[in-house]
Amino acid sequence: KAGVTQTPRYLIKTRGQQVTLSCSPISGHRSVSWYQQTPGQGLQFLFEYFSETQRNKGNFPGRFSGRQFSNSRSEMNVSTLELGDSALYLCASSLDGGHQPQHFGDGTRLSIL
Amino acid sequence: GQQLNQSPQSMFIQEGEDVSMNCTSSSIFNTWLWYKQDPGEGPVLLIALYKAGELTSNGRLTAQFGITRKDSFLNISASIPSDVGIYFCAGGFRNAGNMLTFGGGTRLMVKP
Repeated sequence: KAGVTQTPRYLIKTRGQQVTLSCSPISGHRSVSWYQQTPGQGLQFLFEYFSETQRNKGNFPGRFSGRQFSNSRSEMNVSTLELGDSALYLCASSLDGGHQPQHFGDGTRLSIL
Repeated sequence: GQQLNQSPQSMFIQEGEDVSMNCTSSSIFNTWLWYKQDPGEGPVLLIALYKAGELTSNGRLTAQFGITRKDSFLNISASIPSDVGIYFCAGGFRNAGNMLTFGGGTRLMVKP
């Protein structure tokens, strides 16, 4: 059974640019969550999508946004990139939510120059 | 926001030793999860706990959901070199979708 797939694996951008990251959940999973991982702040929740609707949102500025498509695939977008946005962005999927554990992809490493 | 205090931050042990790490929270959770992360990879789920007092094993790993719902621990018995990695606890709420709060991680190093 294929796991959570995130593309691209690595990305280099410059300040002020925008970026879109993609996540394909495990087949049959309808919930997709995004997390940011940095050495200083650890793993922090960005947002969760379920049935194409944002269900939960973490404490991140509006430059961070996402969406989910009818096939449960999700994208997250970061606009006006800042140096502090350099991080590993992880996507996790679960069957529905709450009682089902999340399974993570290997992440997209975003570096801002 | 909510914080999970995970300890110890790092451990350097001899192969064959048992390991114990724990997480505490100032708030109640009704789900506790333990993950392991290897370099260059995403966290891999080890154990999921859903009831206060629940004790669950997965091979050499045992985790418990604290009775107060504010803590959890993970034990690894007879450690082996492939146990090396960073272990994370995470707390969540069943009725709040999939928003997890993570601990800061425990870096485990095993000396053969």
